[in-house]
Amino acid sequence: DAMVIQNPRYQVTQFGKPVTLSCSQTLNHNVMYWYQQKSSQAPKLLFHYYDKDFNNEADTPDNFQSRRPNTSFCFLDIRSPGLGDAAMYLCATSRDRGPSADTQYFGPGTRLTVL
Amino acid sequence: GNSVTQMEGPVTLSEEAFLTINCTYTATGYPSLFWYVQYPGEGLQLLLKATKADDKGSNKGFEATYRKETTSFHLEKGSVQVSDSAVYFCALSDRGSYIPTFGRGTSLIVHP
Repeated sequence: DAMVIQNPRYQVTQFGKPVTLSCSQTLNHNVMYWYQQKSSQAPKLLFHYYDKDFNNEADTPDNFQSRRPNTSFCFLDIRSPGLGDAAMYLCATSRDRGPSADTQYFGPGTRLTVL
Repeated sequence: GNSVTQMEGPVTLSEEAFLTINCTYTATGYPSLFWYVQYPGEGLQLLLKATKADDKGSNKGFEATYRKETTSFHLEKGSVQVSDSAVYFCALSDRGSYIPTFGRGTSLIVHP
């Protein structure tokens, strides 16, 4: 089945130790998104790629970076995780941009713990 | 800016009860509206959507009607099942950027 896959499902890191979360998709969608979701809060968009075009949200900290080496893969790098970065990180895709392609497809998420 | 407000949960119901989860929105322009559902241990998935005023989205017995005059998109189901226990997110998609804005989510717990 075509899907959005996130690895790992659970990640534990130490304060200040860089960590990378990965997302892959078999949908061949042009757009990939990274969200941060904290308990009882709405998913917060960090950034998205339209093809290779990177779009950073204005309030995303510089500590968060992303890479999209090809259509299928997208990575979230947290350079120096703080305790406040502990959250669920959701990857999503959409076929394109525009009214006929605005449905998003989500992966299961990676829960990040910072010790 | 755009925003979505959902009723706070958890909503706890007995099986076969009627469900309403309220959602109101603020948007510049004329957004598309969505309900996503997140089952335990899984990612969000689209439940239903509506793209213009008075449209009704429906899926799996759930319905929601796009009410422009009250800026609302309330989710309803006539008879809930235990398997409907999940977190439900209301969202809007701005027609300029098509980037969605999500509500905080409402947890639904259905008891046998």
